[in-house]
Amino acid sequence: EIVLTQSPATLSLSPGERATLSCGASQSVSGNYLAWYQQKPGQAPRLLIYGASGRATDIPDRFSGSGSGTDFTLTISRLEPEDFAVYYCQQYGSSPQTFGQGTKVDIK
Amino acid sequence: EVQLLESGGGLVQPGGSLRLSCAASGFTFSSYAMSWVRQAPGKGLEWVSAVVGGGDSTYYADSVKGRFSISRDNSKNTLYLQMNSLRAEDTAVYYCAKDNYAGMAPGRDAFDIWGQGTMVTVSS
Repeated sequence: EIVLTQSPATLSLSPGERATLSCGASQSVSGNYLAWYQQKPGQAPRLLIYGASGRATDIPDRFSGSGSGTDFTLTISRLEPEDFAVYYCQQYGSSPQTFGQGTKVDIK
Repeated sequence: EVQLLESGGGLVQPGGSLRLSCAASGFTFSSYAMSWVRQAPGKGLEWVSAVVGGGDSTYYADSVKGRFSISRDNSKNTLYLQMNSLRAEDTAVYYCAKDNYAGMAPGRDAFDIWGQGTMVTVSS
């Protein structure tokens, strides 16, 4: 199975700053079928990005995804107070689909 | 409004059984593959099982194969997960999740709608 490694484990930033989260795959992700989710404490995950760069419904344009093959990035252009959360990447190009271990974005 | 609502979680002894349900509303349930994803306390997400829209093909993670069974009743817009031979390591919040696109093969799509989750605790 494809192992996804997210870095850094924790990112400490201030509101208004730019956040760059990385997701590395142990093998090439077929079709660039990679998604990003946001999860806040006590809540279900929320889909942000699918197909590496497609923005899900109602997701603000400060969230963007990029990358291909084995290296993917989620960028939050200017952090809003509600963006401090844990972010997970998921690959669904190969079975079984797998998730990364998460990156926590917290307030500096 | 598209919504998923899980139920059926609780405390069960090791070796016991539990059946989770997920009631769907606001979309054409039978058109979408559905999955169960779990999250152990303080841990990340793990895909558990999936079923095609018609219910005739099912898929499982190796960690639950032979112990868990996924099914759906499209007349009731409800997804199920029968969990047998439960172990301590099955302790987690269990989420049901809907594929982003209709008609996709399970495991080949992101999840655009998630339920609120139901907690399963396996302990003596």
